[in-house]
Amino acid sequence: EVHLLESGGGLVQPGGSLRLSCAASGFTFSSYAMTWVRQAPGKGLEWVSGISGSGGGTYYADSVKGRFTITRDNSKSTLYLQMNSLRAEDTAIYYCAKLSSTGGWYTYFVYWGQGTLVTVSS
Amino acid sequence: DIQMTQSPSSLSASVGDRVTITCRASQGISNYLAWVQQKPGKAPKSLIYAASSLQSGVPSKFSGSGSGADFTLTITSLQPEDFATYYCQQYDSYPWTFGQGTKVEVK
Repeated sequence: EVHLLESGGGLVQPGGSLRLSCAASGFTFSSYAMTWVRQAPGKGLEWVSGISGSGGGTYYADSVKGRFTITRDNSKSTLYLQMNSLRAEDTAIYYCAKLSSTGGWYTYFVYWGQGTLVTVSS
Repeated sequence: DIQMTQSPSSLSASVGDRVTITCRASQGISNYLAWVQQKPGKAPKSLIYAASSLQSGVPSKFSGSGSGADFTLTITSLQPEDFATYYCQQYDSYPWTFGQGTKVEVK
């Protein structure tokens, strides 16, 4: 059974940094692209970033480009999101999701984690 | 960026009803369209990919159609567990984008 467990969320001051993790199990992690999606309180879903199975391809929303970095450690079956220069508008639940194939193009969501809450506030 | 527009933003329906949600892309996206369900306080769940293909384990009461720029999600025989918010999402090009969501509420 596929299982995705996010961690690393919490309260951080504006301008601060945080690293989210997503521990995966139940599938061959390196064979699948992964992605992060966030949801601000009371708002809709917003795609944040994606990474191919090898880690060679990365993709970002304009709202986080240059501030967030997505990486993966296939030996640990773990996905990461390094978030720097955090702003109040980054406050959201962050979900990781498994995609349908190894490449980053024309691949779709299959499984979602339960999410981790990031709050950016002074 | 490709804009995704859903209609309606919300709808009220009764158990047993058939409901249809529309999603329009700002440009053609072939069939690279997914539908996601989210219940209050829960993680999203993927329902449909490639505009009309059901994810594994999703009941056939859910169906999707369309290609190009216009898509629909239809739910037949609405049950209490189907009251949720539904999002369309395009994966034709980056950045991926979601519709604003359609909340299906109990009448």
